[in-house]
Amino acid sequence: LAKTTQPISMDSYEGQEVNITCSHNNIATNDYITWYQQFPSQGPRFIIQGYKTKVTNEVASLFIPADRKSSTLSLPRVSLSDTAVYYCLVVRYNQGGKLIFGQGTELSVKP
Amino acid sequence: GAGVSQSPSNKVTEKGKDVELRCDPISGHTALYWYRQSLGQGLEFLIYFQGNSAPDKSGLPSDRFSAERTGGSVSTLTIQRTQQEDSAVYLCASSSQGAPENGYTFGSGTRLTVV
Repeated sequence: LAKTTQPISMDSYEGQEVNITCSHNNIATNDYITWYQQFPSQGPRFIIQGYKTKVTNEVASLFIPADRKSSTLSLPRVSLSDTAVYYCLVVRYNQGGKLIFGQGTELSVKP
Repeated sequence: GAGVSQSPSNKVTEKGKDVELRCDPISGHTALYWYRQSLGQGLEFLIYFQGNSAPDKSGLPSDRFSAERTGGSVSTLTIQRTQQEDSAVYLCASSSQGAPENGYTFGSGTRLTVV
């Protein structure tokens, strides 16, 4: 599975848009890109998933360029409650779909 | 149930004792995964079930660790002769087969402390 690289930490302020970019240079044809959020003392929570182009749901957008070697998670108008660790993962569902977590990006939202 | 349920939520055990951790996946979810997260460490894959079969056990750290799943539902992770390095949060996740639109649902975990 492709290794992912993302910033270790990011700071933002309430109301700002936050973009977290992840690189996955060795992504394979069958791989999906998925993002999870984790708060302290909780299990990870699914945010968004895509294969190519742009995906949007009620909480975030995911931008994937044509070569799929990177992806950007966009969180619009963050609030203090968005302070969490965000994980970018590459998943191969047709081979069991296990998630290989990296260190994630620790996002701190300040008032 | 509405979510993935894990029990107990906290477990303190003495070194050398055996422990069993339980995971109740979402009803109808055929895939079930166990992970662990040590203090300050990332999430580490342990084992994957599809139905009652475990096609991928590659993450189990030693032969002291085993897991089973019965009836395509409840799974139990057993750690024999616990060691202090086994102290961690053990997380379970479940999903429907294939590429689930809404990803995997994780439980809140079992915090295991070996003293």
